[in-house]
Amino acid sequence: DGGITQSPKYLFRKEGQNVTLSCEQNLNHDAMYWYRQDPGQGLRLIYYSQIVNDFQKGDIAEGYSVSREKKESFPLTVTSAQKNPTAFYLCATEAYGYTFGSGTRLTVV
Amino acid sequence: SQQGEEDPQALSIQEGENATMNCSYKTSINNLQWYRQNSGRGLVHLILIRSNEREKHSGRLRVTLDTSKKSSSLLITASRAADTASYFCATDGTGSYIPTFGRGTSLIVHP
Repeated sequence: DGGITQSPKYLFRKEGQNVTLSCEQNLNHDAMYWYRQDPGQGLRLIYYSQIVNDFQKGDIAEGYSVSREKKESFPLTVTSAQKNPTAFYLCATEAYGYTFGSGTRLTVV
Repeated sequence: SQQGEEDPQALSIQEGENATMNCSYKTSINNLQWYRQNSGRGLVHLILIRSNEREKHSGRLRVTLDTSKKSSSLLITASRAADTASYFCATDGTGSYIPTFGRGTSLIVHP
């Protein structure tokens, strides 16, 4: 999907477990974003990073953490503090419009 | 952060008809973007219109922007079954370049 790779496509998490969603890009874009999408809802911003080694909380950051050690990578960890993590997670980069990955569907089992 | 809101929530038409969906927002913007999302996939960028533009075309897509009414419309002409998807508008606030998304319009085009 336009140079952004999200993995895995499907992820199952047990109660109390931390899981990490991968987002890798080869577009050489500085800005990267994580969104959460629930059924019938729009996208809600979790975290964003506009430059390496810097990131900012979005509207729903509680229960999530990120890192930005490399320009190409912006992994998202869903921690056990996130009480309702079942959702579709989208990673995006930005340069004159947003480019999205194909998403990771996370389900709590 | 503000949010664009699309209308209608759902739209069902026959192939060959035109589809029009609208987006309203609340505060000043730098630009407004339209995206398409096929079921279970990421969003695909369709078109960006800047606050000083009133109309923009891309193939069968026509986007208008009325900053006085804080609204935009997306027109898909001569629709095809492959246009079946959800369509989202995204706005950014003046001074901010972080887009926020509405809930989308679900378009179904019947062959």
